[in-house]
Amino acid sequence: DSGVTQTPKHLITATGQRVTLRCSPRSGDLSVYWYQQSLDQGLQFLIQYYNGEERAKGNILERFSAQQFPDLHSELNLSSLELGDSALYFCASSVGGGGAVSYEQYFGPGTRLTVT
Amino acid sequence: GEDVEQSLFLSVREGDSSVINCTYTDSSSTYLYWYKQEPGAGLQLLTYIFSNMDMKQDQRLTVLLNKKDKHLSLRIADTQTGDSAIYFCAEINNNDMRFGAGTRLTVKP
Repeated sequence: DSGVTQTPKHLITATGQRVTLRCSPRSGDLSVYWYQQSLDQGLQFLIQYYNGEERAKGNILERFSAQQFPDLHSELNLSSLELGDSALYFCASSVGGGGAVSYEQYFGPGTRLTVT
Repeated sequence: GEDVEQSLFLSVREGDSSVINCTYTDSSSTYLYWYKQEPGAGLQLLTYIFSNMDMKQDQRLTVLLNKKDKHLSLRIADTQTGDSAIYFCAEINNNDMRFGAGTRLTVKP
């Protein structure tokens, strides 16, 4: 158990809908990272937040957005969903990351999103 | 090329050594590391290496880095059935993390 929690574990929704994925980092970790893992694209880094502020951006679509709240949990919002958005979405956290993407990240179990 | 590349499959016998290879994209990448993913689970950080190092050993794991060829390898000594998983190499470059497609290691008893 990494100490990172994600909800829900599974999510099934229809095209065009909007969903919110939630992540709680390990106690004491200030950075939260979001990743997408799909058969087509493999594992891709989406975005990082550090202490409430966006720090790094990867291959995140404009239809997707994220935020980190004062209690350090984070939410990833996916809108206008398409079939190709079906994937595993992982959250990770690290103690550091204020200056850069930190190497010592701990991953949550993931949320499996299925878009029908 | 632009992608972090790994071979997709590796099969070894229990007790043998496993060597998983990776070619990364940018010689200026600062951190290179290996993650393990077991079925239905997230990624587990196994080990990492800074770009100014050639080798790092951590118990059964040995990481070798050849910066000139942009080649990274992970050696697992005395491979056990519990090592069966998908192994991802990854690099950090310009605040972006890039992952390989993963190597599925199968350990046969």
